[in-house]
Amino acid sequence: AQSVSQHNHHVILSEAASLELGCNYSYGGTVNLFWYVQYPGQHLQLLLKYFSGDPLVKGIKGFEAEFIKSKFSFNLRKPSVQWSDTAEYFCAVLVYGGSQGNLIFGKGTKLSVKP
Amino acid sequence: ETGVTQSPTHLIKTRGQQVTLRCSSQSGHNTVSWYQQALGQGPQFIFQYYREEENGRGNFPPRFSGLQFPNYSSELNVNALELDDSALYLCASSLDRGNTEAFFGQGTRLTVV
Repeated sequence: AQSVSQHNHHVILSEAASLELGCNYSYGGTVNLFWYVQYPGQHLQLLLKYFSGDPLVKGIKGFEAEFIKSKFSFNLRKPSVQWSDTAEYFCAVLVYGGSQGNLIFGKGTKLSVKP
Repeated sequence: ETGVTQSPTHLIKTRGQQVTLRCSSQSGHNTVSWYQQALGQGPQFIFQYYREEENGRGNFPPRFSGLQFPNYSSELNVNALELDDSALYLCASSLDRGNTEAFFGQGTRLTVV
């Protein structure tokens, strides 16, 4: 069955520290991968996505992710976090059933950045 | 803002009751998907509507049903509410059934007591 695993439930960092959030997926079809962010009290918003091509994907707000097919991974990185990055981060894979695609999400990683 | 609006924002219902949640999709989007996000979990796919027809369903019982209207807005109905239905319900709209880019609303927080 399709699934997404996020290794860290809660990550606490100080400002300027580097961030890496792990994501592994299980899906046998064409892989379309996403990272979404949910700031407190706000809607889920797309950080970045991978469909094909360069496995290193750059997103908004200085985030990037690397697709490693052999490891079924799509880890999210940021070289230097800010207090405003405090949020919950969700990795997702797009799965297809006929003409319909839907997202399978991981359980999320809560990031707390200390000023 | 995504242009996807949901109402109401919060709701408290009693076990056994029925509830209707509403979603207005982004202009030009003909596909609406609904997700349930329980506390501490990621969103789980409930179903998708495309041009007023259900176009795919996750692992949710039939008491979860929906509608999509000609203007592509949508409703999620839940009958015979159970305590475990307490969750954040998210609506996402997209330009296509493939959901290659979904825009989410802020959600409706449902509490069943």
